[in-house]
Amino acid sequence: DTGVSQNPRHKITKRGQNVTFRCDPISEHNRLYWYRQTLGQGPEFLTYFQNEAQLEKSRLLSDRFSAERPKGSFSTLEIQRTEQGDSAMYLCASSDSGGAADTQYFGPGTRLTVL
Amino acid sequence: SQQGEEDPQALSIQEGENATMNCSYKTSINNLQWYRQNSGRGLVHLILIRSNEREKHSGRLRVTLDTSKKSSSLLITASRAADTASYFCATDLYGANSKLTFGKGITLSVRP
Repeated sequence: DTGVSQNPRHKITKRGQNVTFRCDPISEHNRLYWYRQTLGQGPEFLTYFQNEAQLEKSRLLSDRFSAERPKGSFSTLEIQRTEQGDSAMYLCASSDSGGAADTQYFGPGTRLTVL
Repeated sequence: SQQGEEDPQALSIQEGENATMNCSYKTSINNLQWYRQNSGRGLVHLILIRSNEREKHSGRLRVTLDTSKKSSSLLITASRAADTASYFCATDLYGANSKLTFGKGITLSVRP
């Protein structure tokens, strides 16, 4: 399978705990995006990487959220001191700026439930 | 706030009928994309139309774009029960690092 993969697929945690999600983009895609989707809504942009550089962060991304892409390949999204309002589906997407640059390919998502 | 607004919010049709979904947006775009999402799963890219294009086809899909009206439509012909899903339009705003801005989606139900 050469698509975008995300782990874990589901995460249940207690309020106040830290969680970390991982995204493996399509090989050689240099752009990587994180989105968040709540029930009944479309995905909302969180942050964007070009290679290892984090180029943009949404105002939705509070200081409890941090994302990294250390070697320009996989990325992690960490949420510290989780709150019930963080419960959502976290989606990762990747694209290739050299090819069909505008098409973003999405992973299956990580569904977070904060109790 | 969300850029794209899809219409209708929900659509129920009989298998074999055509489904037409509309999307309106507010600001200048590089391109507009349509995605499908099955319940609780990731998004599947369907089709992309650039701002200088007016119509594109892909299999049973036909997308139109009217930049003067800031609107797009997605037509699925000869629908199948397997087309039952949520459909989202997403705009790649001019100068926005290619991040996508999604609407709330349209729930399509195709009755067998």
